[in-house]
Amino acid sequence: DIQMAQSPSSLSASVGDRVTITCRASQSISQFLNWYQQKPGRAPQLLIYTASSLQGGVPSRFSGSGSGTDYTLTINSLQPEDFATYYCQQSYITPYTFGQGTRLEIK
Amino acid sequence: QLQLQESGPGLVKPSETLSLTCSVSDGSISSSYHLWGWIRQPPGKGLAWIGSIYYDGNTHYNPSLKSRLTMSIDTSKNQFSLKLTSVTAADTAVYYCARHGRWDLGTFDAFDIWGQGTVVTVSS
Repeated sequence: DIQMAQSPSSLSASVGDRVTITCRASQSISQFLNWYQQKPGRAPQLLIYTASSLQGGVPSRFSGSGSGTDYTLTINSLQPEDFATYYCQQSYITPYTFGQGTRLEIK
Repeated sequence: QLQLQESGPGLVKPSETLSLTCSVSDGSISSSYHLWGWIRQPPGKGLAWIGSIYYDGNTHYNPSLKSRLTMSIDTSKNQFSLKLTSVTAADTAVYYCARHGRWDLGTFDAFDIWGQGTVVTVSS
């Protein structure tokens, strides 16, 4: 299985900050990398697919980049509704695997 | 907008079979562009893919669950289902159904529409 390692595991930031979350795969996944946001008690929501494509309806302050094994999710100008847990997921090969999550908290 | 809704027992006894159904509304499960998957999340933990099924019944299972897992699809009812046998406390989780595409079907490989999730507890 491809292992997905996210960092940091948790992050404190303020409204208006720019934050970056990193995801590293145990082998190259050729940009088959997705990012999800999950709020407590809710299902995950797709933010970014294939490393850098913004899902419809997602604010443009979210962006993704990366290639090979290393990927990042950047959130510019944090808004109160962005405080949540973020997961990366590889869709390069089954079994699809997720990172352990990054909890973004208000400072 | 297509919607998914999970249903099934919230409590299952150890060693018994967990059965869940996902009902698809405002769209067709017979789409040739998408697969239909199950993902679970143990309490306080991360997400884990269980398996996916195509409208023609072709399945892809997580090897870690393959020996206990059966997925099926009923296009006439616009539903797909999961059966997990010989459950233990480790199978306690929120179970989500979700739609996903795949590059060879002309759609992007991501879980783009999710159900709200259903809590399943394994306990005697």
